[in-house]
Amino acid sequence: KAGVTQTPRYLIKTRGQQVTLSCSPISGHRSVSWYQQTPGQGLQFLFEYFSETQRNKGNFPGRFSGRQFSNSRSEMNVSTLELGDSALYLCASSLMGATTNEKLFFGSGTQLSVL
Amino acid sequence: AQKVTQAQTEISVVEKEDVTLDCVYETRDTTYYLFWYKQPPSGELVFLIRRNSFDEQNEISGRYSWNFQKSTSSFNFTITASQVVDSAVYFCALLVRFQKLVFGTGTRLLVSP
Repeated sequence: KAGVTQTPRYLIKTRGQQVTLSCSPISGHRSVSWYQQTPGQGLQFLFEYFSETQRNKGNFPGRFSGRQFSNSRSEMNVSTLELGDSALYLCASSLMGATTNEKLFFGSGTQLSVL
Repeated sequence: AQKVTQAQTEISVVEKEDVTLDCVYETRDTTYYLFWYKQPPSGELVFLIRRNSFDEQNEISGRYSWNFQKSTSSFNFTITASQVVDSAVYFCALLVRFQKLVFGTGTRLLVSP
C-alpha cells in the first residue's frame, strides 16, 4: 500500500506570491490534516478535511486555506506569502480523522522557503 | 488549554546506552489520548504508540517502553540499548475530546556508534 505522498518536496517562493501544496492520502483514508513545522513554533495544526469538508481549523490567518477532492486528495494554499511562512508543511491521513484517537500516517512534507 | 512539554531539546548517547525521553502534559479533561511519534531525517512522522487516559498500564514493545503516570501527568518513553537507527526527533502529543492534536516541541536524539 502506498504511503502518504506530498508534492512538491521542495519549493522556493518570494514574498507576496502564492503557493499550492498537494497531498495524496493512503488509499481508503478519508481524512487529511495539515501541519506546519518550524524550529520556533514546532508542529502546529492547520486544518483537517474529511469527505471534502473542513472539519477543524487551527489558529492561522485566512491566507492559509485548503480543500479536499472527491478522491480524498487535498491541496493547501497559502496566499500573499510572508517570510514567516517558511516551514515544513506536513500532511497526515487517517481513516476517520485527526480528531479521533486514530494514529496518523504522515507524508515526508513539503519544505517551503520564502525569500 | 492543552499543553505538552518536552523539556529535553536534544539528547546525545552512545550506542547501547538506555535513554529516557520525558513528556509532561496539561489538560483538565478526564478523557484524552497520548501519542509518541518519531521523525527520522526523511521528515515523515511515524506513529509509535497511543495510550488513553483510562489505561495506565505501562507498555513494552521490543526495545521501547512507555511509562504513563497520571499522578505526575507524564508519559515518558525509554529506549533500551539504543542504536544508531534510533537517531531522530521524537514528539509527544496530546488529543483531548476529539479536538486538534497538540504536539510537544520534540526531543532530538542522537545515538553515536
